[in-house]
Amino acid sequence: DGGITQSPKYLFRKEGQNVTLSCEQNLNHDAMYWYRQDPGQGLRLIYYSQIVNDFQKGDIAEGYSVSREKKESFPLTVTSAQKNPTAFYLCASSIAGDSQPQHFGDGTRLSIL
Amino acid sequence: GDSVTQMEGPVTLSEEACLTINCTYTATGYPSLFWYVQYPGEGLQLLLKATKADDKGSNKGFEATYRKETTSFHLEKGSVQVSDSAVYFCALDLTGNQFYFGTGTSLTVIP
Repeated sequence: DGGITQSPKYLFRKEGQNVTLSCEQNLNHDAMYWYRQDPGQGLRLIYYSQIVNDFQKGDIAEGYSVSREKKESFPLTVTSAQKNPTAFYLCASSIAGDSQPQHFGDGTRLSIL
Repeated sequence: GDSVTQMEGPVTLSEEACLTINCTYTATGYPSLFWYVQYPGEGLQLLLKATKADDKGSNKGFEATYRKETTSFHLEKGSVQVSDSAVYFCALDLTGNQFYFGTGTSLTVIP
């Protein structure tokens, strides 16, 4: 079955360490997205990519970095510059073009010890 | 299990028509409910939210009321514009750790 895989579901890291969250999709989607969710605030867009080797900053890109070397993969690195990294991270993908709904992964809960 | 069921699209309306997009949910606890909008070529944006029963979320002329008795959170707008053309997602957040999304409803508004 096609879908989006985020791993792991729960991730713990020490303060000051960079950490990379995995997102893989086998839907042949061109566009991929990373969101962050904090309790009561809803989702906020971190980065998105409409095509391989290209990506744009979202609303809260500071302290994060991404790469899009392959169509099916869009890893997110949470750097030590991110002041409050503990959150729920959600990856999504969609067919490129107007009015194409996004498909979502199950999310990764990151906790900084 | 917990889930969100959203009206299927696509929906096509003339400008100034009334809009209702149905959303119902199944949840074991007391969720917060959200409507997100995805404009062409962009990521999701939060449109409105409600965190407890009988709350009404509103933004940009859109409204939705959290109805616990019918487990619903229908999105409504009295007069749609061409600029409202987008995909709309209903979502549920139970614990702050897991979101459940509907499948999305594509809306096209024609002049």
